[in-house]
Amino acid sequence: DTAVSQTPKYLVTQMGNDKSIKCEQNLGHDTMYWYKQDSKKFLKIMFSYNNKELIINETVPNRFSPKSPDKAHLNLHINSLELGDSAVYFCASSRQGGGGELFFGEGSRLTVL
Amino acid sequence: GIQVEQSPPDLILQEGANSTLRCNFSDSVNNLQWFHQNPWGQLINLFYIPSGTKQNGRLSATTVATERYSLLYISSSQTTDSGVYFCAVSRNNNAGNMLTFGGGTRLMVKP
Repeated sequence: DTAVSQTPKYLVTQMGNDKSIKCEQNLGHDTMYWYKQDSKKFLKIMFSYNNKELIINETVPNRFSPKSPDKAHLNLHINSLELGDSAVYFCASSRQGGGGELFFGEGSRLTVL
Repeated sequence: GIQVEQSPPDLILQEGANSTLRCNFSDSVNNLQWFHQNPWGQLINLFYIPSGTKQNGRLSATTVATERYSLLYISSSQTTDSGVYFCAVSRNNNAGNMLTFGGGTRLMVKP
């Protein structure tokens, strides 16, 4: 069983479109995250979310929004896609607060044309 | 925020060689993880090691939290060890464990 799964694995779309990436974890974790990996392989936190608090990295444009239907899912919605949004997006999860190892999904490669 | 620096940025090894990768961080942390990103892009957990020493097969890691560094040792390297090795750290809070990543060490192991 895949612990953290993301769909789709690949997404190609046009500038200006709105798209979503889904993430699900079956580890029973309380906290989920989205990370962005750019073309130089640099990984940066976008969001941290549990059922009490959403923390947004201040550098993330408000076109990006996380939505969590329940604690096992954290989806990423992106509005008005731009060329610079092309990247690999990773979902992760961990136990809530006070530590815990992060486990990552396999990544979703987004290409904006 | 916390700064994380990894060295060397690039490393080429002959199969069978040993190597040491270093991770320095700028502030006190209570979480540190090492990851291997394989050529297919998957992030594989290697070690969760906020302090002390751990070993897993040919890999071992040591974190000296008081001196703000961690080392990853790879012994008898194999071609399947190729990829990018990331160190990531955080200071916990009630909202979770937001890791800050270093820039990675790109390892190529030649047969």
